[in-house]
Amino acid sequence: SQQGEEDPQALSIQEGENATMNCSYKTSINNLQWYRQNSGRGLVHLILIRSNEREKHSGRLRVTLDTSKKSSSLLITASRAADTASYFCATDNDYKLSFGAGTTVTVRA
Amino acid sequence: NAGVMQNPRHLVRRRGQEARLRCSPMKGHSHVYWYRQLPEEGLKFMVYLQKENIIDESGMPKERFSAEFPKEGPSILRIQQVVRGDSAAYFCASSASGTANEQFFGPGTRLTVL
Repeated sequence: SQQGEEDPQALSIQEGENATMNCSYKTSINNLQWYRQNSGRGLVHLILIRSNEREKHSGRLRVTLDTSKKSSSLLITASRAADTASYFCATDNDYKLSFGAGTTVTVRA
Repeated sequence: NAGVMQNPRHLVRRRGQEARLRCSPMKGHSHVYWYRQLPEEGLKFMVYLQKENIIDESGMPKERFSAEFPKEGPSILRIQQVVRGDSAAYFCASSASGTANEQFFGPGTRLTVL
């Protein structure tokens, strides 16, 4: 079964708005990572947050991690049309990444 | 410094044929991982290889699927006697060490089985 589960499955927002998506997982983790996948393309690594970190920023991205609730959130601020993509969280167990089914984000111009 | 290369990018096979997917890791990387993505799903781990060794193939179907990473040349994921359910995107990742937080992904091979 999948380790990470994203919520919502799909999100449609206006350009300039913020997009928030959540990820829940089942077992203890070393790190949690977020990836972006544009339609029909490969994965782009966005950000990694370690299990002893609570929040991390990278440009317009903000990731939080709550290990007590086994959940993480990804916030994209001031969204742009180019942010239209699927976003996946992935937990890792040593060398193995476990991905959720993803959140599909559509940013309307 | 070229990233992870996969070829072909698209592959069409008829049921019963063989599919061979190739992955060239980043320069200096000796660890390769294969993942499969079915439509509307996330990536699922298939197999982890180091040069000439299979470390973990727990995610790979026992029949028809095999993987190798020879001393020279790319890693190969081989699917024999393909069926429609094998249609998916197959991604390869590589790393310099065997950890999940340093994996770099290739663009994927999209396999369509007719």
